[in-house]
Amino acid sequence: DGGITQSPKYLFRKEGQNVTLSCEQNLNHDAMYWYRQDPGQGLRLIYYSQIVNDFQKGDIAEGYSVSREKKESFPLTVTSAQKNPTAFYLCASSIGRRGPSPLHFGNGTRLTVT
Amino acid sequence: DQQVKQNSPSLSVQEGRISILNCDYTNSMFDYFLWYKKYPAEGPTFLISISSIKDKNEDGRFTVFLNKSAKHLSLHIVPSQPGDSAVYFCAASEGGSQGNLIFGKGTKLSVKP
Repeated sequence: DGGITQSPKYLFRKEGQNVTLSCEQNLNHDAMYWYRQDPGQGLRLIYYSQIVNDFQKGDIAEGYSVSREKKESFPLTVTSAQKNPTAFYLCASSIGRRGPSPLHFGNGTRLTVT
Repeated sequence: DQQVKQNSPSLSVQEGRISILNCDYTNSMFDYFLWYKKYPAEGPTFLISISSIKDKNEDGRFTVFLNKSAKHLSLHIVPSQPGDSAVYFCAASEGGSQGNLIFGKGTKLSVKP
């Protein structure tokens, strides 16, 4: 079964600690994305990558970092510089080539920082 | 400034009737529009999309209408079923650029039996 796997589903951290959220896809998609959802808000783009070893900042990249060393993997690190890290984080992927195509999402990781 | 607006936070519909979810956008350069459905604690699921060269796209019970002059799109669900109860997000992009997919804040649909 092809899909996007985010782990863990729930994550708790103390303030001041960096934390890395995992995202793996076996859809053979070129493009991958990280979004953040807050209550009553739409999804906001943090980072995206259209090809291995390349990525771009989205609308709210401050306090986050990513890497794309493999096509299948796009981990997101929430650093201590992120002022409001508690949120629901969603990873997505798309074919990324030859015009627009829908994003396919994972089931998210809920991060709580206290 | 929101480029994609869903002005109704919630909508309640009787089972079997039509659900109409609305979305307005401000950027005239948007040329690809999508609707996603989301259950709590899950990722959004792609429902249907429409390119700006069309004004209607249909897939089973779901139809999306695009009015470019009004910068408005709508999702029609007919007939509505209790399993359709979820939050629906409208999204738009410019020039097919997935990196610039802009989402609305969502409309929570409740379909009552």
